Parts: sequence; C-alpha cells; structure tokens
Amino acid sequence: DGGITQSPKYLFRKEGQNVTLSCEQNLNHDAMYWYRQDPGQGLRLIYYSQIVNDFQKGDIAEGYSVSREKKESFPLTVTSAQKNPTAFYLCASIGAEGGYTFGSGTRLTVV
Amino acid sequence: AQSVTQPDIHITVSEGASLELRCNYSYGATPYLFWYVQSPGQGLQLLLKYFSGDTLVQGIKGFEAEFKRSQSSFNLRKPSVHWSDAAEYFCAVALYNNNDMRFGAGTRLTVKP
Repeated sequence: DGGITQSPKYLFRKEGQNVTLSCEQNLNHDAMYWYRQDPGQGLRLIYYSQIVNDFQKGDIAEGYSVSREKKESFPLTVTSAQKNPTAFYLCASIGAEGGYTFGSGTRLTVV
Repeated sequence: AQSVTQPDIHITVSEGASLELRCNYSYGATPYLFWYVQSPGQGLQLLLKYFSGDTLVQGIKGFEAEFKRSQSSFNLRKPSVHWSDAAEYFCAVALYNNNDMRFGAGTRLTVKP
C-alpha cells in the first residue's frame, strides 16, 4: 500500500544535540511538507519541498534543516539552535487529487 | 491576515446524537477547504475536501460538510455519532498552490456512551 513512513515513532534528544527525523513516501508525490504540532496550536509549517533538490522555509523554520535528494525522502534535522524542540512532528505529501497524506508522526522529547 | 478558526476547543456528545463542528476562515478569496481527523498519537486523515461546485460535500466515515460563502464557514456534520468518532478534528484551508495550507487549532470530540 502507498503511504508515508515516519521514523522513529519516539525520539529523545539531549541538550545541544542534533537529531534527524526520517520521512519516506512511495506515493510518487512531488510535494512534501514538515509540520510541528503542539497542544492547542494546530499544525505549523516548518519546511516544504515541491521538487527534488529544492525546498522552502515555512513559518517556523528557525532551528531546523531539511534536504530533498530523492523524490521519496524528505528528512528533517532538528538542530541545537531549536530551543524548544519537544513536539509532535508530522510529515505530509500531496498529490494531484488535493489534500495531504500524513505520516503517523514522530514524538520528539528533550531529556 | 489569513486565518482559520475553530471556535470549539472541546465538544462532548452522546453516542447516536448528531454532531456539528464549526470552522470559519478569513481569506481574501475562496480557498480550498478540508477537514481532517486525528486519533491520539497518530497522523491526520483526510475526511473530505471542497474545491468548487456543490457546496455540500460527502466524506468518509459518514461525515459531510457544507460550504457557506456568505458566512465564510465550512462546518462538519454527522447525523449519528459512534464511539469510534472520538478524536481531534482539524479544519484546514489552502489557496491555489497548497503550500499555504493553514490549520485550525482543532476540536477535540468526546463521545459519551
């Protein structure tokens, strides 16, 4: 079945450490997105990519970085510059029919 | 400024009762409109979408939504709620390129037996 796979499901980060969240899709979608979800705030866009080797900042890109070397993959790195990284992170893609397909998310906790 | 508002943070309904979740938007033009559902610890699943045409749209799991241009609203409805409908529901709007999709803060639905 086609879909989006996010890993790991749970991730723990120490202070000053960079961590990378994986997002892989087999839907042949061009556009992919990373969102951050905090309680009571809905989803906020971190980065998006409309095509391989190109990506754009969203509303809250500071402290995050991404790459898009392959159509199927859009990893997100949470750097030490992100001072409040504890959140639920969601990856999504969109096809021609409209509407996002979401992964099952990664919960990141600072320890 | 562009915004999406879900006025109800939390709604409780009895199983078998009808449900309406509210969504209002503020955009310069009529956007594309979506409703998503999220179970705890999971990603979001698309329930339905409105792009144009008939203002009453049918979705999965027995949900429907009605677009009212005059009220800038896109309310989600279900005639009879099941216990499995307990989840968080998000309204979202996007302009033409979908890279500007905005989500409401969500409405948490509790279903009483």
